[in-house]
Amino acid sequence: KQEVTQIPAALSVPEGENLVLNCSFTDSAIYNLQWFRQDPGKGLTSLLLIQSSQREQTSGRLNASLDKSSGRSTLYIAASQPGDSATYLCAPSNDYKLSFGAGTTVTVRA
Amino acid sequence: NAGVTQTPKFRVLKTGQSMTLLCAQDMNHEYMYWYRQDPGMGLRLIHYSVGEGTTAKGEVPDGYNVSRLKKQNFLLGLESAAPSQTSVYFCASSNRVNTEAFFGQGTRLTVV
Repeated sequence: KQEVTQIPAALSVPEGENLVLNCSFTDSAIYNLQWFRQDPGKGLTSLLLIQSSQREQTSGRLNASLDKSSGRSTLYIAASQPGDSATYLCAPSNDYKLSFGAGTTVTVRA
Repeated sequence: NAGVTQTPKFRVLKTGQSMTLLCAQDMNHEYMYWYRQDPGMGLRLIHYSVGEGTTAKGEVPDGYNVSRLKKQNFLLGLESAAPSQTSVYFCASSNRVNTEAFFGQGTRLTVV
């Protein structure tokens, strides 16, 4: 059974600071790993999909790295803004299924 | 661009009542999933489907049933609701096992 851990559970930073969100997973036989954003009371919005054969994926201010063999992924958000405040979830994919951590709740202070 | 649509968005049930949650996707995706999200926990997979007419159990299937009679729809049923089923339910779909998954906006269910 895939176990996903996200550290830290919560993070508060001033605007402009870079964010580093960590995700670890126990089963390295993954197809891919997806990062999502969830705003309070809302659904999940996909941010980045990184395939198991990739080391890195970038979209605007977001960059995700993947070290499949060690079971780790990191999401970097550059120059954070108050609009980045949300919960971020990582989800590795095994056997057709996504497994989720509890997420990291980010607050960016103006 | 509807994507994944869940019906209803909110519902309050009494213990023992039954209900069906509907998930509809317009992206012609093969795979569909039902998750539940509880405070302090990650999303947990209830049931999933890898194609029309197929269903499989996920991590927490007890107390739920599902059907996928049409490719675009995935139904989640609660036969006899219990307070432990109070949760936010999310439906998701994806085209293949290694492609992006898309989620609906969720159904907030309270069982009293």
